[in-house]
Amino acid sequence: QQQVKQSPQSLIVQKGGISIINCAYENTAFDYFPWYQQFPGKGPALLIAIRPDVSEKKEGRFTISFNKSAKQFSLHIMDSQPGDSATYFCAPRAGGTGRRALTFGSGTRLQVQP
Amino acid sequence: NAGVTQTPKFRVLKTGQSMTLLCAQDMNHEYMYWYRQDPGMGLRLIHYSVGEGTTAKGEVPDGYNVSRLKKQNFLLGLESAAPSQTSVYFCASSGTPQYSPLHFGNGTRLTVT
Repeated sequence: QQQVKQSPQSLIVQKGGISIINCAYENTAFDYFPWYQQFPGKGPALLIAIRPDVSEKKEGRFTISFNKSAKQFSLHIMDSQPGDSATYFCAPRAGGTGRRALTFGSGTRLQVQP
Repeated sequence: NAGVTQTPKFRVLKTGQSMTLLCAQDMNHEYMYWYRQDPGMGLRLIHYSVGEGTTAKGEVPDGYNVSRLKKQNFLLGLESAAPSQTSVYFCASSGTPQYSPLHFGNGTRLTVT
């Protein structure tokens, strides 16, 4: 069972444009919804995260929108920059399991063209 | 502050050989994890630990064993390597607070021929 479906697989955006990446999930036990950013040769790093008691969270140019009823959340990157070129993963977590492990989506490779 | 350190960075094995991947963290984190990353599949959880002396299976544990004898170290072992275990392996750790983020190492690229 694929618990997390991420789209698109790849995305090309012009500098200054808006990048949007979507994540749909099936497990209603998920209670924490982070996005991780990974550069080539590096491990993933937390970019931004949201809890299900709010519908939107903004940190600088990065925004998470969360729709609990649709079981979807998305990452919006405003004014995209070449330095944002990386692979992005949604990685929700089921609370109460004790293990704290994340369930990763398949990733979106973002390329921001100058 | 080194964070999470993985050794080695690269390794080539022949089918049937064994090896151990070492993960060390200097953040006094309770939780540690081993993931594998394959193209188009994201990261998949192999094994994890919720504290010193504990280990548990993740989604893809077959062919791997782990040990956590010291709080700062989490070892991943392959007893008899198979080509299907060719992958990039990531170790991560997280702290005690409920929504602590995972901190990842920079990975070990393993090729099994």
